[in-house]
Amino acid sequence: GENVEQHPSTLSVQEGDSAVIKCTYSDSASNYFPWYKQELGKRPQLIIDIRSNVGEKKDQRIAVTLNKTAKHFSLHITETQPEDSAVYFCAARKPGGSYIPTFGRGTSLIVHP
Amino acid sequence: DTGVSQNPRHKITKRGQNVTFRCDPISEHNRLYWYRQTLGQGPEFLTYFQNEAQLEKSRLLSDRFSAERPKGSFSTLEIQRTEQGDSAMYLCASSPDIKTGELFFGEGSRLTVL
Repeated sequence: GENVEQHPSTLSVQEGDSAVIKCTYSDSASNYFPWYKQELGKRPQLIIDIRSNVGEKKDQRIAVTLNKTAKHFSLHITETQPEDSAVYFCAARKPGGSYIPTFGRGTSLIVHP
Repeated sequence: DTGVSQNPRHKITKRGQNVTFRCDPISEHNRLYWYRQTLGQGPEFLTYFQNEAQLEKSRLLSDRFSAERPKGSFSTLEIQRTEQGDSAMYLCASSPDIKTGELFFGEGSRLTVL
């Protein structure tokens, strides 16, 4: 089955700095890569996703890049704000069948004001 | 609130007891997923329903676990003879029956087994 590795497990930055979270996946058939944000005590929510037919996608201060050859993808947050503090999960999903995403272990991002 | 609803939100039980969690997905969503999340880990897949049919089960789902989705609406996850290792957050998610990617999660049911 798919295996998703995520690094780092904890990331501490100063407000205004950039943050980068990296994930690798094992199954080259995976073609959909979402990122979820989970604030303390709340449900995970999708913040951005990318499909394998593109290499980069941006949405305001967040962007995701995908390298299919190396089987890794990254989340980039620029101009971080305290409200960005949360746990971020990457995931990978293969096409067809039950469309079940496999999640990474998560990165706890702490943005210090 | 038209989001995914789970209850109870918290359950404390003694080892050996049975517990049942309920998930009410977004009404037009045909796909329903159960995940388990422990501290410091990402959501781990347990089982998946399309309408009322249970199409996938993880090897994490031992024979003490059973899930149902009668009539393709709400779903229940029952754990029999609970063990301390079952302590976790049980997350339900739903998605529409199209090739969209987004899972809409509930707020979870936290189980503590004493």
